[in-house]
Amino acid sequence: GQQLNQSPQSMFIQEGEDVSMNCTSSSIFNTWLWYKQDPGEGPVLLIALYKAGELTSNGRLTAQFGITRKDSFLNISASIPSDVGIYFCAGSPGRSGGSNYKLTFGKGTLLTVNP
Amino acid sequence: ETGVTQTPRHLVMGMTNKKSLKCEQHLGHNAMYWYKQSAKKPLELMFVYSLEERVENNSVPSRFSPECPNSSHLFLHLHTLQPEDSALYLCASSQDIAFGAPNEQFFGPGTRLTVL
Repeated sequence: GQQLNQSPQSMFIQEGEDVSMNCTSSSIFNTWLWYKQDPGEGPVLLIALYKAGELTSNGRLTAQFGITRKDSFLNISASIPSDVGIYFCAGSPGRSGGSNYKLTFGKGTLLTVNP
Repeated sequence: ETGVTQTPRHLVMGMTNKKSLKCEQHLGHNAMYWYKQSAKKPLELMFVYSLEERVENNSVPSRFSPECPNSSHLFLHLHTLQPEDSALYLCASSQDIAFGAPNEQFFGPGTRLTVL
């Protein structure tokens, strides 16, 4: 089946620093989604990307849909303590024939921000 | 209530117990999902429902039995579970599963299940 490689697995940064994480796929995706999960909670959707090359921002977060359709990047600028959590990428091939809705998830990037 | 809600938030059960997890979505979506989240593993899709019809059973053991009485409610009935079934069970919903519909799935807070 499809696999997503998400890196890094974890990051320890100082407050105010910028953060970058990425996901790569073994096959082409037509949708990339980025989620954040706080301890004891479900994932919350941050950014959705639907077009190769697309660059979308949500506050201090910026995500890009890679031009090859096999990767995506998430950047967080000027990190703050509440950015702590696990960030997941998810992708979908978006094919017709019944599998459009299926999301493949990465294993997550654990972000720790030191005040 | 807004978004996707799940009850209970925590559940401890013995291997011979029968319990049910409940999910409700307030987003007017047509599709609902059950996922299992275990430590160090990606989210695992279990079941998918579209307009109360099950469209996906991802090789889930029969000790997990889903029920979708209407497009806003989803249940997961549990019986004779094993300790390895301990995990966070997440419910999600999306607008539709049809080709061309947005793939964005919105998650509930999850039920933390511990099987003794």
